[in-house]
Amino acid sequence: AQTVTQSQPEMSVQEAETVTLSCTYDTSESDYYLFWYKQPPSRQMILVIRQEAYKQQNATENRFSVNFQKAAKSFSLKISDSQLGDAAMYFCAYRTELNYGGATNKLIFGTGTLLAVQP
Amino acid sequence: DAGITQSPRYKITETGRQVTLMCHQTWSHSYMFWYRQDLGHGLRLIYYSAAADITDKGEVPDGYVVSRSKTENFPLTLESATRSQTSVYFCASRGTGGFNSPLHFGNGTRLTVT
Repeated sequence: AQTVTQSQPEMSVQEAETVTLSCTYDTSESDYYLFWYKQPPSRQMILVIRQEAYKQQNATENRFSVNFQKAAKSFSLKISDSQLGDAAMYFCAYRTELNYGGATNKLIFGTGTLLAVQP
Repeated sequence: DAGITQSPRYKITETGRQVTLMCHQTWSHSYMFWYRQDLGHGLRLIYYSAAADITDKGEVPDGYVVSRSKTENFPLTLESATRSQTSVYFCASRGTGGFNSPLHFGNGTRLTVT
């Protein structure tokens, strides 16, 4: 079974600085998707960035980028120029690419990293 | 407006009572999911559905029942609520595409069982 591990329960960063959130996963599959979701205090789950495992190029979305290391099964999120609005819980998630039945479409989540942004 | 909505947003109930959490999506997405969020556990899958009238258990299904008579609705029922079911519940949906069909979440229901 696939598992997702976020080893940093809490992180803190100064405004305008850069922070990296760690995520590792375990799988025997070669094709899958990885996601980072942000959950602000409003409780809404917001998709931040996503990565296809077969693509070696790291995904980037504005100030958010990932460092995807497939062999190491690592998928870290880098937030550049941190803003107060980045303060939130961040979840790393895994989904298999295989499309047989609903089971394989489920998202497997890590336990989350709570990011605080200091002014 | 298109989207996925959950109701109620907050619910307090007593141990032993039956309670139903509602979920409605307007995209006609095939797949729908129920997750619960607990500190230290992240989000865990309770039940999911691949289409109307097709449902299956997730990681933590005990004590919950789901139905999906219509594509757009996916209610979650706690048959006899227990304190351990105090949690935040999220409904989510996605289409049948692969990478280009990410999961969309509702805003969650905070359930407290006293």
